[in-house]
Amino acid sequence: VQLVESGGGLVQPGGSLRLSCAASGFTFSSYWMSWVRQAPGKGLEWVANIKEDGSEKSYVDSVKGRFTISRENAKNSLYLQMNSLRAEDTAVYFCARDLNPRFGEIWYDAFDTWGQGTMVTVSS
Amino acid sequence: AIQMTQSPSSLSASVGDRVTITCRASQAIRNDLGWYQQKPGKAPKLLIYAASSLQSGVPSRFRGSGSGTDFTLTISSLQPEDFATYYCLQDYNYPRTFGQGTKVEIK
Repeated sequence: VQLVESGGGLVQPGGSLRLSCAASGFTFSSYWMSWVRQAPGKGLEWVANIKEDGSEKSYVDSVKGRFTISRENAKNSLYLQMNSLRAEDTAVYFCARDLNPRFGEIWYDAFDTWGQGTMVTVSS
Repeated sequence: AIQMTQSPSSLSASVGDRVTITCRASQAIRNDLGWYQQKPGKAPKLLIYAASSLQSGVPSRFRGSGSGTDFTLTISSLQPEDFATYYCLQDYNYPRTFGQGTKVEIK
């Protein structure tokens, strides 16, 4: 079971970047997936998630309208399209698999597998 | 957004100590809470989900408890590999929110 992010780099403010997360070793299409980021020296921040079939997506307010999460199950890949980038988007971006365990009628988050992270730096 | 507040922000402890980290939610979140461990330069690791369910492969010295607004992560006997930063994460509603983290350092 493995997740490998790619696509990070240095971009100017206002620019765009597309992150990818390649999944292997499990049935990718059976899991919700999330992006989580961590600014240098700071804590973790959940960014977005997407349902198994891509029909449901959610975002943190600070990226709504600028970032788009998507997936291609045939390619076992998760993506994060980031537009109108700001300095405050500078962070390591992790993709994570959600086990989504269920107890009765309640589903929980449980990010059991993470990638190694990809660094995004927004600077002029 | 639900605010998650961890305490303390950092602590110093010795191997063998019992360590308790608390996480308080700004509103009731049932038991929709997880705990993650992160070591420098590494991805986070899932320890606990649904407030008290131990993730497979995680040592039994880690215990989660609580519901509503107040939650606790307890490490019964601190081991050298447990020195790390710990985060709680609420999954009651969107956006998901993490606590600010608790750094556990060697005394």
